[in-house]
Amino acid sequence: EDKVVQSPLSLVVHEGDTVTLNCSYEVTNFRSLLWYKQEKKAPTFLFMLTSSGIEKKSGRLSSILDKKELFSILNITATQTGDSAIYLCAVSPHYGQNFVFGPGTRLSVLP
Amino acid sequence: GAGVSQSPSNKVTEKGKDVELRCDPISGHTALYWYRQSLGQGLEFLIYFQGNSAPDKSGLPSDRFSAERTGGSVSTLTIQRTQQEDSAVYLCASSLVQGIKFFGPGTRLTVL
Repeated sequence: EDKVVQSPLSLVVHEGDTVTLNCSYEVTNFRSLLWYKQEKKAPTFLFMLTSSGIEKKSGRLSSILDKKELFSILNITATQTGDSAIYLCAVSPHYGQNFVFGPGTRLSVLP
Repeated sequence: GAGVSQSPSNKVTEKGKDVELRCDPISGHTALYWYRQSLGQGLEFLIYFQGNSAPDKSGLPSDRFSAERTGGSVSTLTIQRTQQEDSAVYLCASSLVQGIKFFGPGTRLTVL
């Protein structure tokens, strides 16, 4: 059965801290891994990763994929209160098939 | 449209009533997905439409749930005889095949 695991499930930090969120997966025929940020209702897209070892970066956020060890990390440097959200990892196992979502990491950034 | 839209944004209903939730995907997106998210839980897959193919209904939790997609665009998720455990945020997403999913704002359903 396809599975995506995220850790930690919950994290509380202070502004300015750096955080690393983890996503590991077990899926057949892996195609891509996506990170989403969910603040209220709708998740918003952050990164799509398909190749190992290539870092994707957007401002203070970055992510990298390791297809050999079957995991990805999402880094957030110099965290701000606006980074408080649930961060979801999703993996696409088959061509055209539905993504498998992890449970999410709830990040709380305190002022 | 510019993004995925859903209506209503909030729905309060009484146990036993039927509800219909609507999703308008991004124009040109062939894939449409429904998820639900209960309080404090992760995203639960419900159903997936891809072009003219038969939908993947493997995530529908019971036969009270059904969905259709008319003309390859708008989709309606119907929940019959609602139960309190159906209370959740229902999220719709669309994508091109193999593309990034874009989510709608969701419908918060509360069953009293």
